[in-house]
Amino acid sequence: GAGVSQSPSNKVTEKGKDVELRCDPISGHTALYWYRQSLGQGLEFLIYFQGNSAPDKSGLPSDRFSAERTGGSVSTLTIQRTQQEDSAVYLCASSPRQGIDEQFFGPGTRLTVL
Amino acid sequence: AQSVTQLDSQVPVFEEAPVELRCNYSSSVSVYLFWYVQYPNQGLQLLLKYLSGSTLVKGINGFEAEFNKSQTSFHLRKPSVHISDTAEYFCAVTSKAAGNKLTFGGGTRVLVKP
Repeated sequence: GAGVSQSPSNKVTEKGKDVELRCDPISGHTALYWYRQSLGQGLEFLIYFQGNSAPDKSGLPSDRFSAERTGGSVSTLTIQRTQQEDSAVYLCASSPRQGIDEQFFGPGTRLTVL
Repeated sequence: AQSVTQLDSQVPVFEEAPVELRCNYSSSVSVYLFWYVQYPNQGLQLLLKYLSGSTLVKGINGFEAEFNKSQTSFHLRKPSVHISDTAEYFCAVTSKAAGNKLTFGGGTRVLVKP
């Protein structure tokens, strides 16, 4: 079946511009996660959606970062006023149910801020 | 809070030789442990997981890991590597308190040489 998909695969933007990154989780998966992978910080958690519950935003690095999940499916991660330190690979993952379980990762979006 | 330490950032190994990747974690609560592999320009793929039960866990592609609670370790092993095992390997931990949010180690880059 189809895995987690992310778009775009690559995004180059200028400092100060806003960007939107999209994640399509595996159909039927109730949990959705965003992680960031950068050279300096490694892999770090950003935000977590579980069903209709309020998202866990504890990993967002600043108020320039936000995310939403519409209809319990597609998610969009928005970064406003991008900075060079936002350059990283943004990974999305989904999981079939609440609780401890394997997370299925998408291929990521490579963001480069010039 | 939980943390993961992967002691080796790079491991060169000859084809058909065994390899061990070390992972140590820190947590004040019961943990669940994962090993993921990332091939070049791809997302993360689950190799194996420890949720409960037998402390020796077998995964895909001939990998196995052993959960050692007293040593807070979850080392990954393969008795005979192939060129195709060249990739980056990430150990990750979560707990019920963390809500399945993964905390990753810094990764170990394995280079299999002919």
